Amino acid sequence: ETGVTQTPRHLVMGMTNKKSLKCEQHLGHNAMYWYKQSAKKPLELMFVYSLEERVENNSVPSRFSPECPNSSHLFLHLHTLQPEDSALYLCASSQDSGKHYEQYFGPGTRLTVT
Amino acid sequence: AQRVTQPEKLLSVFKGAPVELKCNYSYSGSPELFWYVQYSRQRLQLLLRHISRESIKGFTADLNKGETSFHLKKPFAQEEDSAMYYCALSDPGATNKLIFGTGTLLAVQP
Repeated sequence: ETGVTQTPRHLVMGMTNKKSLKCEQHLGHNAMYWYKQSAKKPLELMFVYSLEERVENNSVPSRFSPECPNSSHLFLHLHTLQPEDSALYLCASSQDSGKHYEQYFGPGTRLTVT
Repeated sequence: AQRVTQPEKLLSVFKGAPVELKCNYSYSGSPELFWYVQYSRQRLQLLLRHISRESIKGFTADLNKGETSFHLKKPFAQEEDSAMYYCALSDPGATNKLIFGTGTLLAVQP
């Protein structure tokens, strides 16, 4: 598959569970991003990775833990989430982390915390 | 603080009518602004950026620094333009940090 892929597409988890979201980009990009889209709120940037190094951490609670093992893969590890964390989580990538580069988005993971 | 405001949640027009999707921003300095679009069952994608000064799918957007606006316009709407449109601002600094508005749903009626 080309572009940016995300798995799973839908996830329901309890507050005591541990789960991970996966993102993979097939574009040869060096930068990857996690965004959160809650109902009635704008997309919020969570994390930015450039060449596997975290360059932005947007005051995200520690129950969200990102991991970037290489420039093609990005994970978001989830543990002890709250119901208000239910949202659409979008992954994106860009050629570089400089501000001129277009970001390419994945289809998102719809997360429901019960 | 940097912020993007899209005052309209929904804009409904008839096919062939002009379209203007409003976007205002608050920013100190020289901003970089974008319009992203999400068609039904498709992923979010870049429509245009102000530095390119180009027309994409008949859409244009002019940066007005005096009014701090970046409205998206098209003279004649088509049904296939129906989508969710997001205005975004690139935060200052080295990283590609986008600040999005809440989006406007454009519905073009036949």
